[in-house]
Amino acid sequence: SQELEQSPQSLIVQEGKNLTINCTSSKTLYGLYWYKQKYGEGLIFLMMLQKGGEEKSHEKITAKLDEKKQQSSLHITASQPSHAGIYLCGADTSGNTDKLIFGTGTRLQVFP
Amino acid sequence: DAGVIQSPRHEVTEMGQEVTLRCKPISGHNSLFWYRQTMMRGLELLIYFNNNVPIDDSGMPEDRFSAKMPNASFSTLKIQPSEPRDSAVYFCASSPGLAPANNQPQHFGDGTRLSIL
Repeated sequence: SQELEQSPQSLIVQEGKNLTINCTSSKTLYGLYWYKQKYGEGLIFLMMLQKGGEEKSHEKITAKLDEKKQQSSLHITASQPSHAGIYLCGADTSGNTDKLIFGTGTRLQVFP
Repeated sequence: DAGVIQSPRHEVTEMGQEVTLRCKPISGHNSLFWYRQTMMRGLELLIYFNNNVPIDDSGMPEDRFSAKMPNASFSTLKIQPSEPRDSAVYFCASSPGLAPANNQPQHFGDGTRLSIL
């Protein structure tokens, strides 16, 4: 079974709609990183969360780490075609190394 | 500022050939990571270095794979001999240092798309 599960696997929304992507871990999250990837390109860092209950925002994207530190959500408000891509969560589940495990990703498509 | 630089961007070769992928991390970053991304298995960590020393190579699939970091500004991932199942996108990433004191995000290169025929 996957140590880090993302849902949904894919999402198709109309421009202007809100959406949420979830990342659930079977272990405690000591650090949770959200990345975005476009086809043929590398991963672009979006946000990092470390403390339970922490919430960060960048433009129209908000990420939260729940109090129990085993789940994170990424929320996009008023989606735009520029938000399209693959969103990946990466997690530090050990707390004492640089090693991250990654979820399988959520493919987002935004149509006009 | 220059990000993580990988070369080549694309590589197509026949099975049995040696393949060498190259990576230049961000200047000043002490940790370097090699990942492989496939549709079936997603993004997997192969090996990572800190201060040029391999720390964890448990993700390296088999002896055909080897990685080196001769200095702080260069690393290679070598596959010899290559097989069709090695076809994937290989990413290199770097970060400033070891967690938890330096819990900083990893920054990724654009990857090398490898096809083994």
